[in-house]
Amino acid sequence: GDSVTQMEGPVTLSEEAFLTINCTYTATGYPSLFWYVQYPGEGLQLLLKATKADDKGSNKGFEATYRKETTSFHLEKGSVQVSDSAVYFCALRTGGFKTIFGAGTRLFVKA
Amino acid sequence: EPEVTQTPSHQVTQMGQEVILRCVPISNHLYFYWYRQILGQKVEFLVSFYNNEISEKSEIFDDQFSVERPDGSNFTLKIRSTKLEDSAMYFCASSAGTGQGYEQYFGPGTRLTVT
Repeated sequence: GDSVTQMEGPVTLSEEAFLTINCTYTATGYPSLFWYVQYPGEGLQLLLKATKADDKGSNKGFEATYRKETTSFHLEKGSVQVSDSAVYFCALRTGGFKTIFGAGTRLFVKA
Repeated sequence: EPEVTQTPSHQVTQMGQEVILRCVPISNHLYFYWYRQILGQKVEFLVSFYNNEISEKSEIFDDQFSVERPDGSNFTLKIRSTKLEDSAMYFCASSAGTGQGYEQYFGPGTRLTVT
């Protein structure tokens, strides 16, 4: 069945460092891909999305490009801030109702 | 900005008891969902609900679980005879439609602890 695999955390970075969180997927159809973020004590917020191959989703300095050839959707940010500390979830949906999530990657950013 | 709300934020119950988790979806949304996350594991889809019917459910969503929209605003998940392994964070979500153009908006979750 469809699945998402993302790098295990936690990831610890210093402020202004470059961030990459790897995400790969397996899907039988043509999925939409998402990154969700969960800040401490809060719900899942959509960070960015891409709905077809080569689309780039971006928001708040984060970017991810839908790579069909490598079935990947890696999250990047050029300069992280302490406020980016959160858990990041890669996810997919192939139409229909359910979103399939990766295990989540916890990011700690030190001042 | 409209948001999905959930109550309670934390529920503790004894094994074998029934619990009802409550959600208020975004007001003009038509599709409603429950997901759960066992500590340290993935967020898993449980069920989707549309037009007062279950539209899709996972293998996790067995006879122990039920969902209901008792009025025009609430959406509930009932767990009958809770088990220790039901301890998890339960997320409610809603969307205006399905398919690629529609985002699912998630609530903050209810942490259920079964003792």
